[in-house]
Amino acid sequence: EVQLVESGGGLVQPGRSLKLSCAASGFTFSNYYMAWVRQAPKKGLEWVATISTSGSRTYYPDSVKGRFTISRDNAKSSLYLQMNSLKSEDTATYYCAREDNYFDYWGQGVMVTVSS
Amino acid sequence: DIRMTQSPASLSASLGETVNIECLASEDIYSDLAWYQQKPGKSPQLLIYNANSLQNGVPSRFSGSGSGTQYSLKINSLQSEDVATYFCQQYNNYPPTFGAGTKLELK
Repeated sequence: EVQLVESGGGLVQPGRSLKLSCAASGFTFSNYYMAWVRQAPKKGLEWVATISTSGSRTYYPDSVKGRFTISRDNAKSSLYLQMNSLKSEDTATYYCAREDNYFDYWGQGVMVTVSS
Repeated sequence: DIRMTQSPASLSASLGETVNIECLASEDIYSDLAWYQQKPGKSPQLLIYNANSLQNGVPSRFSGSGSGTQYSLKINSLQSEDVATYFCQQYNNYPPTFGAGTKLELK
């Protein structure tokens, strides 16, 4: 059974940093692209970042480019999202997702609140 | 970026009814279209991919159709457990983009 479990969320002040983690199990992690997708409170879904199988290629939307960094450790079947210079508009639930063009498995999500 | 326009934004239907949700892409996405279901307080779950392929384990009352820029999700014989918000998503071009969602409630 595919499982994705996020951790690392919480309350952080604007301008500070936070790192999210996602532990994967139930599939060969190194064979799949992985992504982060977020959802602001009562809002829709926004893709945040994608990383290739080896980690050599990463992709971001303009809204987070230069501030967020996605990475992975295939030996640990883990995905990460380093978020720097956080803004209030980054407040959202962040989901780890397996990407096979579409997002076929999602974690339960972790809440990030950016507020002073 | 490809813009995905979903309609309606909300929908109220009775048990046993057939429901249709539409998704319009701002350009041809060549059937690279997925549908997700998000129940209250839960994470999204994949229902349909490649516009009309049913994900494993999804009930057959769900179906997808469409091509080019116009796509739809159909739910036959609505059940109480289908109360959720439904999102479409295109993956033909980066960045992947989602529709704003359709909130489905029981009448």
